[in-house]
Amino acid sequence: GDSVTQMEGPVTLSEEAFLTINCTYTATGYPSLFWYVQYPGEGLQLLLKATKADDKGSNKGFEATYRKETTSFHLEKGSVQVSDSAVYFCALSDREGGSEKLVFGKGTKLTVNP
Amino acid sequence: DAGVIQSPRHEVTEMGQEVTLRCKPISGHDYLFWYRQTMMQGLELLVYFNNKAVMDDSGMPKDRFSAKMPNASFSTLKIQPSEPRDSAVYFCASSSPEGVPQFGTQYFGPGTRLLVL
Repeated sequence: GDSVTQMEGPVTLSEEAFLTINCTYTATGYPSLFWYVQYPGEGLQLLLKATKADDKGSNKGFEATYRKETTSFHLEKGSVQVSDSAVYFCALSDREGGSEKLVFGKGTKLTVNP
Repeated sequence: DAGVIQSPRHEVTEMGQEVTLRCKPISGHDYLFWYRQTMMQGLELLVYFNNKAVMDDSGMPKDRFSAKMPNASFSTLKIQPSEPRDSAVYFCASSSPEGVPQFGTQYFGPGTRLLVL
């Protein structure tokens, strides 16, 4: 079945450091890929998404590129801020595989220190 | 738009009691999803609806959980009887119909934090 694997955390960085959170997937169809963010005590929010190969999703300084050849969707940010401290989830939606469901990774907790 | 609305935000109950969680999806969305989040299991999909019909409830323990969507703007998740292992944060999410640009993106509510003693 479909699955998402993302790097285990927690990740701790200093402010202005470079961030990469790795995400790889397996899917039977041609999925859409997502990054969601969960701030403490809140629900998940869509951060960015990409629906086809080589698409780059971007939002709030975060970027991720849909790489079909490596089945990856790594999240990057050039300079993190304390306010980026949250849990980040990679997810896929495989409609061609016959489902509207989102399949989530286990989440990566990011802490950014001043 | 008010976003997905869930109630209550917090619930503390005793083992064996009935618990009802409520969700109002974003207006115009015809997909509704119920998730459970725990430290051990992460985020689990319990059930989802399309146009009020259950599409997949394979993640939901059928002996004590039930989910309903009596109309397009309201859904409930009921646990009877509740057990301590049901303690978790329960999220509701909704998404747009097919053909809308945002189709496939799920919008989450703030969650209900349930504690069963």
